[in-house]
Amino acid sequence: DTEVTQTPKHLVMGMTNKKSLKCEQHMGHRAMYWYKQKAKKPPELMFVYSYEKLSINESVPSRFSPECPNSSLLNLHLHALQPEDSALYLCASSQVSRGPDQPQHFGDGTRLSIL
Amino acid sequence: SQQGEEDPQALSIQEGENATMNCSYKTSINNLQWYRQNSGRGLVHLILIRSNEREKHSGRLRVTLDTSKKSSSLLITASRAADTASYFCATVAPAGKSTFGDGTTLTVKP
Repeated sequence: DTEVTQTPKHLVMGMTNKKSLKCEQHMGHRAMYWYKQKAKKPPELMFVYSYEKLSINESVPSRFSPECPNSSLLNLHLHALQPEDSALYLCASSQVSRGPDQPQHFGDGTRLSIL
Repeated sequence: SQQGEEDPQALSIQEGENATMNCSYKTSINNLQWYRQNSGRGLVHLILIRSNEREKHSGRLRVTLDTSKKSSSLLITASRAADTASYFCATVAPAGKSTFGDGTTLTVKP
């Protein structure tokens, strides 16, 4: 079992639907991340939150909207997605330190399919 | 080319053999990390090596870092079937952004 919990594990949605992915950790980590991973490819960074504030947005389309309501929760709101957005979405968390030298702890992801 | 390129892309060995994977990168880094991903699961952090370190060990894992060549290697000794997974290196830039390499898929046959 991982210490980062992602729900749902699988999600199938139409292009006009609105849905949210959720991520929760109770390790006291103050940095949280969203990644997108296509099959047989490495994870690609989407967003980074540090102390509940968005610190990195890797030019992600606005149909993906992140939210960090508190230090334990991270959401990714989805709206009007495209078929090419089908992928595994991974959440990760880490401690925040002066330098970026903290390992990231990953959840098992949400496998998203867009019809 | 992508930061953090790895070779080989795929590696198949017998149980008990050693497995070596290599990672090359292009820009300055604060540290380099190795992760393992089992099929259908999230990534698991294996080991971190800082830019001022040359070698690090953790159990059956040995990581080297050569900043002059901008490369790192991960050695898994006495491999087991349970080591079958994809292995990714991740470089962390001074700005804090991590970039993952393309990964090596390791198959350990019993």
